[in-house]
Amino acid sequence: QKEVEQDPGPLSVPEGAIVSLNCTYSNSAFQYFMWYRQYSRKGPELLMYTYSSGNKEDGRFTAQVDKSSKYISLFIRDSQPSDSATYLCAMSAGNAGNMLTFGGGTRLMVKP
Amino acid sequence: GAGVSQSPRYKVAKRGQDVALRCDPISGHVSLFWYQQALGQGPEFLTYFQNEAQLDKSGLPSDRFFAERPEGSVSTLKIQRTQQEDSAVYLCASSGELGSPYNEQFFGPGTRLTVL
Repeated sequence: QKEVEQDPGPLSVPEGAIVSLNCTYSNSAFQYFMWYRQYSRKGPELLMYTYSSGNKEDGRFTAQVDKSSKYISLFIRDSQPSDSATYLCAMSAGNAGNMLTFGGGTRLMVKP
Repeated sequence: GAGVSQSPRYKVAKRGQDVALRCDPISGHVSLFWYQQALGQGPEFLTYFQNEAQLDKSGLPSDRFFAERPEGSVSTLKIQRTQQEDSAVYLCASSGELGSPYNEQFFGPGTRLTVL
């Protein structure tokens, strides 16, 4: 079993819908939790990061971390066709020099 | 400013050939990471450099994989005697200041390696 599990999708939603993406993990040492977006044939780009448990909001995006349940979520409000991409959760145990452990990615398609 | 660049973007190799993949990190970034991303999967850690020192190579899948960063800037990932299972996208990432609470890793576009 992988350290970080993520539903691969694909997830297809109509434009304007609220999207919920999530990951579960098994390693209690993880402290930093990130969501990356990856367009086809591009490298991942950071959307949001959260330290420890709690919520963080940035525009249409909200990240939630529940360390007690080892569960993290990303919500996208008012989804747009340009949000169509693969969303990767990633985690690390510390700061500099700590490698990221990724989920397998969820492919999201937002239809106009 | 320029981001992380990687070359070549695409590489086709015959099984048994050696390949070299290059990464140019963001100027001044201390940390450099290599990841391997198989088709339909998330990236998996290969190795990490702090300046020219390779501090973690626990993710390298075999002794056919070798990475270096001799002057603490450009890095090369070399794969000897390539096998079909080496086919993947190889991603390079760099991050900046040591000691800050969080260091974002900036990713390059990757090199897509296909071994025939």
